[in-house]
Amino acid sequence: QKEVEQNSGPLSVPEGAIASLNCTYSDRGSQSFFWYRQYSGKSPELIMSIYSNGDKEDGRFTAQLNKASQYVSLLIRDSQPSDSATYLCAVANFGNEKLTFGTGTRLTIIP
Amino acid sequence: DAGVIQSPRHEVTEMGQEVTLRCKPISGHNSLFWYRQTMMRGLELLIYFNNNVPIDDSGMPEDRFSAKMPNASFSTLKIQPSEPRDSAVYFCASSQIMNTEAFFGQGTRLTVV
Repeated sequence: QKEVEQNSGPLSVPEGAIASLNCTYSDRGSQSFFWYRQYSGKSPELIMSIYSNGDKEDGRFTAQLNKASQYVSLLIRDSQPSDSATYLCAVANFGNEKLTFGTGTRLTIIP
Repeated sequence: DAGVIQSPRHEVTEMGQEVTLRCKPISGHNSLFWYRQTMMRGLELLIYFNNNVPIDDSGMPEDRFSAKMPNASFSTLKIQPSEPRDSAVYFCASSQIMNTEAFFGQGTRLTVV
C-alpha cells in the first residue's frame, strides 16, 4: 500500500464549478498535511497546510482533514482555467520535516 | 527573498560523466531537501539535512549519489558516474526545522544520454 494515495486523474471540471481533490494516507502518526500545486514544467508551490480535523479556508481554496478516516481533501470553488495543474498531497509526522508526497492529481478546468 | 535557488536549470551530459547540482536555500531556513521527480515514480525524497547535518539519506538510490551541505547557504548533489536512468528533474527545497512547510527551487532538468 502506498503511503499517500491520490487519484491520478485527469479530473476535468467546468469553469466556475467546484473541483474536489482527494488524498488518503496510511500512517496514523501523520500530523501535518499539505497541498502543493505544480504547473507543467514548474516546481511545486505550497497552497494550503492543515494540521487539525475540520476545514480550513483560504480564498477559493478549502482544505478538509479527517484523521479518523485518514483522509484529506482540497476543494477549489469558482474554478478558473488558471487552476489547471497537478495537485500534490503531502504528509508528515509531527516534528519530522520529512514530507511524503502522493503522485498527484492532474486537474483541467474547461472554459 | 529570492527563494530557493538551484543551478544549473538544465544539464545534458553523457553517460559516465560526473554531474553536480547546486542549491542555495532560503536564508534562515535550516532544513534542506533534495527530491527527484519522474513521470513513473513521482516526487521522491533523496536526502535531507538539518543544520547542515544529513538526517535521512534512505532515499538515495545507490552509491553513485552523494550530497553535501558544507554551510547553511549551500548544498550539492553529485552523481558519479551518471547513467541514463538518472534522467529526471531534481528539486531542492528548504524549510525551518520543526516546520514542514517546504519551499521548492525551480529544479534542474537532468538528461543523461
